Amino acid sequence: DTGVSQDPRHKITKRGQNVTFRCDPISEHNRLYWYRQTLGQGPEFLTYFQNEAQLEKSRLLSDRFSAERPKGSFSTLEIQRTEQGDSAMYLCASGRSGGHTGELFFGEGSRLTVL
Amino acid sequence: DAKTTQPPSMDCAEGRAANLPCNHSTISGNEYVYWYRQIHSQGPQYIIHGLKNNETNEMASLIITEDRKSSTLILPHATLRDTAVYYCIVRALEYGNKLVFGAGTILRVKS
Repeated sequence: DTGVSQDPRHKITKRGQNVTFRCDPISEHNRLYWYRQTLGQGPEFLTYFQNEAQLEKSRLLSDRFSAERPKGSFSTLEIQRTEQGDSAMYLCASGRSGGHTGELFFGEGSRLTVL
Repeated sequence: DAKTTQPPSMDCAEGRAANLPCNHSTISGNEYVYWYRQIHSQGPQYIIHGLKNNETNEMASLIITEDRKSSTLILPHATLRDTAVYYCIVRALEYGNKLVFGAGTILRVKS
């Protein structure tokens, strides 16, 4: 257990529905990252927050995707009008800014299946 | 961030040392080498990192060549639980610090 928790762990939905994932990072970590991983590939960066500010978004994050971190603590990732291509594992990671900040702590992920 | 090249898969006998290579020939002077691993159905886990000196911790050793163009992760006594995908990542400590993952090396430890 890394201390980063994600919910739900598994989600099955029908195409066109909206889904939301939640990530609770390690409490003293001010940086939070979202990644997406499909079978056989390494995780792909989606976006990251420092405190409540969203500082970078990947081109992978289409208009149907939105992420928030309203109070600089937990974060949500919402996917609207899901498509079958959204089926993937969504990983959250947290880390600390300042000094040597290389280590990120990952949650176990939320697996999305779009039917 | 510099790109890395890793073999797609490797096998290792249980109890033997596992040596996982990584090429990063375009690494810049301010970029560190990081290793993470991902066991099936789990998130990636930090293993070790280094700049130019060799590093060792309780999990592994990292050997970086003098020209820094390649490195080797060494698991000294591999166990079945070390079967995982191992990712070599190079990045600078700039604002953001996101990790850019490649496909990694699938290490299979066999009894």
